[in-house]
Amino acid sequence: AQSVSQHNHHVILSEAASLELGCNYSYGGTVNLFWYVQYPGQHLQLLLKYFSGDPLVKGIKGFEAEFIKSKFSFNLRKPSVQWSDTAEYFCAVNALSGGYNKLIFGAGTRLAVHP
Amino acid sequence: DAMVIQNPRYQVTQFGKPVTLSCSQTLNHNVMYWYQQKSSQAPKLLFHYYDKDFNNEADTPDNFQSRRPNTSFCFLDIRSPGLGDAAMYLCATTRSRSPGSGAETQYFGPGTRLLVL
Repeated sequence: AQSVSQHNHHVILSEAASLELGCNYSYGGTVNLFWYVQYPGQHLQLLLKYFSGDPLVKGIKGFEAEFIKSKFSFNLRKPSVQWSDTAEYFCAVNALSGGYNKLIFGAGTRLAVHP
Repeated sequence: DAMVIQNPRYQVTQFGKPVTLSCSQTLNHNVMYWYQQKSSQAPKLLFHYYDKDFNNEADTPDNFQSRRPNTSFCFLDIRSPGLGDAAMYLCATTRSRSPGSGAETQYFGPGTRLLVL
């Protein structure tokens, strides 16, 4: 069965620290990969996505993610976090199911950034 | 500016009392989805509509139903809410559900938090 694993459920960082959130997926077919972010009290919004081409994807707000096919991974990175990055981050894979695309989410990583 | 709108943002219902959550979209997208998200868990897909074609996930309880009267609106009906149905319910849309179409990005509404007393 298709699945997405996010290794860290809670991460606490100080401002200016570097961030890497792990994401591994289990799916044998062609994948589209996403990171969504949910700021406190707000809706899920797209941070970045990978469909094809350059495996290093740049998103909004200085985030990037690297697709490593051999490791089934799509880790999210940011070189220097800010207090405003405090949010919950969800990795997701778009897998083919029953002839159509289905988005499968990881359980999320809650990031707290201290000033 | 709002693209996917969910009302209400908070809904309180009684055990066993039917409740309806609503979702509307201004994107003119073909596909609308309903997810259930419990605390500290991943959003779980309940079902989706591709135009008027309803697609239920295999493990979605019969207690959950949906209606899509037109392109813009989609409703989630919970016929007899139990305590275990308390959760955040998310609505999302995509332009297409076709593999490789490049249009798979989902746009989410703010969610409706359901409390069952």
